[in-house]
Amino acid sequence: QVQLVQSGAEVKKPGASVKVSCKTSGYTFTRYTLHWVRQAPGQRLEWMGFINAANDDTRYSQKFRDRFTIMKDTSANTAYMELSSLRSEDTALYYCVRVVYRSSWGPFDYWGQGTLVTVSS
Amino acid sequence: DIQMTQSPSSLSASIGDRVTITCQASQDISRFLNWYQQKPGKAPKLLIFDASNLETGVPSRFSGSGSGTDFTFTISSLQPEDIAIYYCQQYDNLITFGQGTRLEIK
Repeated sequence: QVQLVQSGAEVKKPGASVKVSCKTSGYTFTRYTLHWVRQAPGQRLEWMGFINAANDDTRYSQKFRDRFTIMKDTSANTAYMELSSLRSEDTALYYCVRVVYRSSWGPFDYWGQGTLVTVSS
Repeated sequence: DIQMTQSPSSLSASIGDRVTITCQASQDISRFLNWYQQKPGKAPKLLIFDASNLETGVPSRFSGSGSGTDFTFTISSLQPEDIAIYYCQQYDNLITFGQGTRLEIK
């Protein structure tokens, strides 16, 4: 069965960086695109970007473009997101999600369990 | 960015009631509209994709309709396990979500 398992909760100070992993299993990693979505307390879900594991294409939300990177390790069937220059507003639950179609865009059929990132001095 | 506006923001209904949530896009998104259910402490779950297609394994009491800018999500007969927050999501141009509709039992 398809699974997306994310790394554990992180507590970071303002200005620091955080890297979250998303280890996948149960499907062919290079055939699908993985997105990252976050949910700050009491806020709506917010799209951050994606990596197409088939062609290495990446796309980022303009809001995060300067400080957000998505990468992958195909040998480990794992994707990573790194967010730098953290501020308190980045405190949120971060999800990796898989697109149901074999394209970069589409409905999200599988979600990771979420990784809580807390930014606090 | 395309803005997605859900209505209502919260809703209280009785078991067995028909429940309807609407989602309006700020511009034409064709049928690139999905609906998710999020229960407390859980990740969202895909219910409806491409406006009206029921995801595999999702009960048939859930349905969706619409195209262009106006979309509707319906639960034909509310069950206790349907208590959750529901989100619409467009993927016509990047990805944006509605603000969510919190559904409670009356």
